[in-house]
Amino acid sequence: NAGVTQTPKFRVLKTGQSMTLLCAQDMNHEYMYWYRQDPGMGLRLIHYSVGEGTTAKGEVPDGYNVSRLKKQNFLLGLESAAPSQTSVYFCASRSRDRGLHEQYFGPGTRLTVT
Amino acid sequence: GQNIDQPTEMTATEGAIVQINCTYQTSGFNGLFWYQQHAGEAPTFLSYNVLDGLEEKGRFSSFLSRSKGYSYLLLKELQMKDSASYLCAVSRDDKIIFGKGTRLHILP
Repeated sequence: NAGVTQTPKFRVLKTGQSMTLLCAQDMNHEYMYWYRQDPGMGLRLIHYSVGEGTTAKGEVPDGYNVSRLKKQNFLLGLESAAPSQTSVYFCASRSRDRGLHEQYFGPGTRLTVT
Repeated sequence: GQNIDQPTEMTATEGAIVQINCTYQTSGFNGLFWYQQHAGEAPTFLSYNVLDGLEEKGRFSSFLSRSKGYSYLLLKELQMKDSASYLCAVSRDDKIIFGKGTRLHILP
């Protein structure tokens, strides 16, 4: 099992450019999450999904869009990147089974917007 | 915000015991997670508490009081490798919301 993988690992964008971050999990988890982590701010929830075809806003959704067309994939899109979106982005997944609590994280994507 | 509060930094000595506290708003609460995160790495799961009381797992224990909106993570027999950030996170409905984390420094 690869667990949770994220593509790419690093990226530098210019202001106004667009990109998509891909998260994939092979654990058949229903729930998937996108977080960003900035120094001194902890992990902040951007968007999340409770199943294929469904998404919902988290704490800081502005400037981002998401899609969950397949159960194993959760895409995070930046339509017009801004320097304020420079951050480390983590994807996570977990089972809906209440007996399985652990949230598994991907290795992160380091994004710099210049 | 979600008002999950934990100290920003703590320092302890190798071999000692340290307690990291976390307080949160109780509305919609399902359970509380603790994660460990080393610099430059992804968070890794330590514990999940749903019911009141103490749960022990090796050198690490986690306590929850639902009525008080309070939890702590207890680390015993501290080792240098325990130098990391410790993240408290609350499960509310389908969301998992994190506090800002506590950076723990271990002195030899």
